Amino acid sequence: KAGVTQTPRYLIKTRGQQVTLSCSPISGHRSVSWYQQTPGQGLQFLFEYFSETQRNKGNFPGRFSGRQFSNSRSEMNVSTLELGDSALYLCASSLVGQVGSSTNAFFGQGTRLTVV
Amino acid sequence: KQEVTQIPAALSVPEGENLVLNCSFTDSAIYNLQWFRQDPGKGLTSLLLIQSSQREQTSGRLNASLDKSSGRSTLYIAASQPGDSATYLCAVTHDGGSQGNLIFGKGTKLSVKP
Repeated sequence: KAGVTQTPRYLIKTRGQQVTLSCSPISGHRSVSWYQQTPGQGLQFLFEYFSETQRNKGNFPGRFSGRQFSNSRSEMNVSTLELGDSALYLCASSLVGQVGSSTNAFFGQGTRLTVV
Repeated sequence: KQEVTQIPAALSVPEGENLVLNCSFTDSAIYNLQWFRQDPGKGLTSLLLIQSSQREQTSGRLNASLDKSSGRSTLYIAASQPGDSATYLCAVTHDGGSQGNLIFGKGTKLSVKP
């Protein structure tokens, strides 16, 4: 069965631009979460979508936004890019029914974003 | 606020050695704890998931334990191999929270020398 697919794998953008990252979850998984990974801060939770609704949001500015489509695919958008947004952005999907259910989270390979 | 700490930050061992990686969390109200492996520049691979009602989980040469009351988990790797070299991360899900919201430690970078 296909894993979590993130596109593109690498991106170079200029400060002030905006960027959209895509994540296709494992078939049948309805929860998609996004994380930012940097050497200094480690892995930090951005937001989670479940059945096209944002269920949780981390402590990031409003420049970071996302959405989920009816086929569970998700996109993440960052507007007005800053140098500090350079990071590995990881998407995870899980087979989650209700909050508190316990299943593994499966991660994609990530998108490496470099802001210059 | 839940904080997850992993000690040591880096570890180098000779091939064949048994080793233990440590993870601690400040709020014992967790629903589960998950151990992941990350290879350089890659995504995360789930190794073991321990529910809060469990004490340990085993998969091959890996054994993870959980002491929820003391806020600690360990990952035991038996007979380490060079292929085990990677960064190991632990993450918790807050009780009542969503599996989609994992709180991570910063990881232990393991190097196994041939």
